Amino acid sequence: QVQLVESGGGVVQPGRSLRLSCAASGFTLSSYGMHWVRQAPGKGLEWVAVIWFDGSKKYYADSVKGRFTITRDNSKNTLYLQMNSLRAEDTAVYYCATTVNYDAFDIWGQGTMVTVSS
Amino acid sequence: DIQMTQSPSSLSASVGDRVTITCRASQRISTSLNWYQQRPGKAPNLLIFAASNLQSGVPSRFSGSGSGTDFTLTISSLQPEDFATYYCQQSYSAPMYTFGQGTKLEIK
Repeated sequence: QVQLVESGGGVVQPGRSLRLSCAASGFTLSSYGMHWVRQAPGKGLEWVAVIWFDGSKKYYADSVKGRFTITRDNSKNTLYLQMNSLRAEDTAVYYCATTVNYDAFDIWGQGTMVTVSS
Repeated sequence: DIQMTQSPSSLSASVGDRVTITCRASQRISTSLNWYQQRPGKAPNLLIFAASNLQSGVPSRFSGSGSGTDFTLTISSLQPEDFATYYCQQSYSAPMYTFGQGTKLEIK
């Protein structure tokens, strides 16, 4: 069964760091670009970052550029999001997603909640 | 950056109704437009890709159309499980994607 499972969310104080993970099963992560998308409570979807299948290119939303870093370990079939200098406005459910068959997010994880609060 | 604007932001309808949601891009994006459904507490689910192509497993009552800047998602006969929030997304500037703000479809 093709599946993405996020982990690593939790409550963190402003200015601190957190690392999210996204583990793939049922397919080979190394063949695909991978994305992070977030959703603040009661709000819409916001694309956050993408990493090329081989890690050679990375792009970020302006809202996280310079603070977040997307990486991957294809040997572990896992995607990461290192989040530094966290702010209250980073509070959201974070989803990993990928474009396997089309230029659209056809596989999503279940999401992991990040709450930034003192 | 390409901005996506959906209308309406919310919509009340009844089971069996025909419903149309509109998405407008701030610049021409050809047919690089996807639609997602999101139920409360769940991840989004791809419905339509490339403006008019139905994702495998999605009921045929869902359809998409449009090109350039104006797009529509139509549900031909609403079912109880269709009450959810719908998002459009442009893939023209891939790999950097942009979503619309969402349309919440509620039961009348």
